[in-house]
Amino acid sequence: RKEVEQDPGPFNVPEGATVAFNCTYSNSASQSFFWYRQDCRKEPKLLMSVYSSGNEDGRFTAQLNRASQYISLLIRDSKLSDSATYLCVVTLKGAGGFKTIFGAGTRLFVKA
Amino acid sequence: DAMVIQNPRYQVTQFGKPVTLSCSQTLNHNVMYWYQQKSSQAPKLLFHYYDKDFNNEADTPDNFQSRRPNTSFCFLDIRSPGLGDAAMYLCATSNQVYEQYFGPGTRLTVT
Repeated sequence: RKEVEQDPGPFNVPEGATVAFNCTYSNSASQSFFWYRQDCRKEPKLLMSVYSSGNEDGRFTAQLNRASQYISLLIRDSKLSDSATYLCVVTLKGAGGFKTIFGAGTRLFVKA
Repeated sequence: DAMVIQNPRYQVTQFGKPVTLSCSQTLNHNVMYWYQQKSSQAPKLLFHYYDKDFNNEADTPDNFQSRRPNTSFCFLDIRSPGLGDAAMYLCATSNQVYEQYFGPGTRLTVT
């Protein structure tokens, strides 16, 4: 089982749609959780940190369920500019320091 | 603006010819990372520096080395690049284990 698993995608949605991405992680000691977006041939950019209480930023809502080891990202009212790859990232602390693990990413295509 | 800078943005090297990629940051973050990203794959962490402490990932080949002479700079050395090392190399920084901020990357071509 992969340490961080995401929906395989791609997701093809029309403008205005609501789309949800899911991510699960295997290590219960995971400490920090993030969603990044990456445009083609560009670097990943932080979209949101994910907190246990959930957090919202405009059209984007992130949720964390520690009991189920599950993270989600909801995008409402999709725009063409939301087309990108969405990466789930988990950080955990171990004996030798800490680890950062990226999910494989879920590609989103928003069409007019 | 505080940022992460990578030089060069594009690097072409010959098979077996050592190459060094550079990263600098003005964020004053204590952690710096190097990632390798190949087409259609997620970034793969090679190693990171937590302050001066070097942390190598178990599956990072010996061909890849890193130096961090001070807080602001970090270098990735590829001692003998192979064709399979052609990729985008991303540098990132963070304050402790919080959000990482990425540089624009260096695209490496091996001929």
